[in-house]
Amino acid sequence: DIQMTQSPSSLSASVGDRVTITCRTSQSINNYLNWYQQKPGKAPKLLIYAASSLQSGVPSRFSGSGSGTEFTLTISSLHPEDFATYYCQQSYSTPPYTFGQGTKLEIK
Amino acid sequence: EVQLVESGGGLVQPGRSLRLSCAASGFTFGDYAMHWVRQAPGKGLEWVSGISWNSGGIGYADSVKGRFTISRDNANNFLYLQMNSLRDEDTALYYCAKDTTPGNWNGYMDVWGKGTTVTVFS
Repeated sequence: DIQMTQSPSSLSASVGDRVTITCRTSQSINNYLNWYQQKPGKAPKLLIYAASSLQSGVPSRFSGSGSGTEFTLTISSLHPEDFATYYCQQSYSTPPYTFGQGTKLEIK
Repeated sequence: EVQLVESGGGLVQPGRSLRLSCAASGFTFGDYAMHWVRQAPGKGLEWVSGISWNSGGIGYADSVKGRFTISRDNANNFLYLQMNSLRDEDTALYYCAKDTTPGNWNGYMDVWGKGTTVTVFS
């Protein structure tokens, strides 16, 4: 199975900061990498699919990049509602479609 | 409104069985692959199982393979997860989630239910 490593596991930042979260995979997955946001007590929300495609309705301050084994999620300028936990997920080839362990983004 | 509503969770002893259901509405259910994703208390997300729109493709996480069975009823817009030989580590909130493109199995999910809680206790 493909292993996912997200970093950092937690991050403190301020409103207006630029933030980057990294996800590395144990083998090349081309661009089959997706990002989700989860707030406490809520279901996950799809932000980015296929490494860099913005899901409909997601603000443009969110962006994704990367291919192969290294990927990043960037929030260009943090808004108060962005403080949440972020997960990467690979959807390469056949299942299982593993998730990263999550990055908790907290207010500094 | 696109909606997924899970049910069937509860308290169960190790070794017993449960069947989760997911009622879909607001979209053409039979056109989309569907998935189950779980989250243990205080932990991250774990993809559990997925099924293609016509049940021709099915996949499982290694942790549930041989114990869980996914199925769907396209006539009545339901997704199911039959969970047998339950273990303590199966305790989690179980989400039903919709794949993104009709007729394809992309492996990522754009609509999620609120989840149903399964607690395995001895």
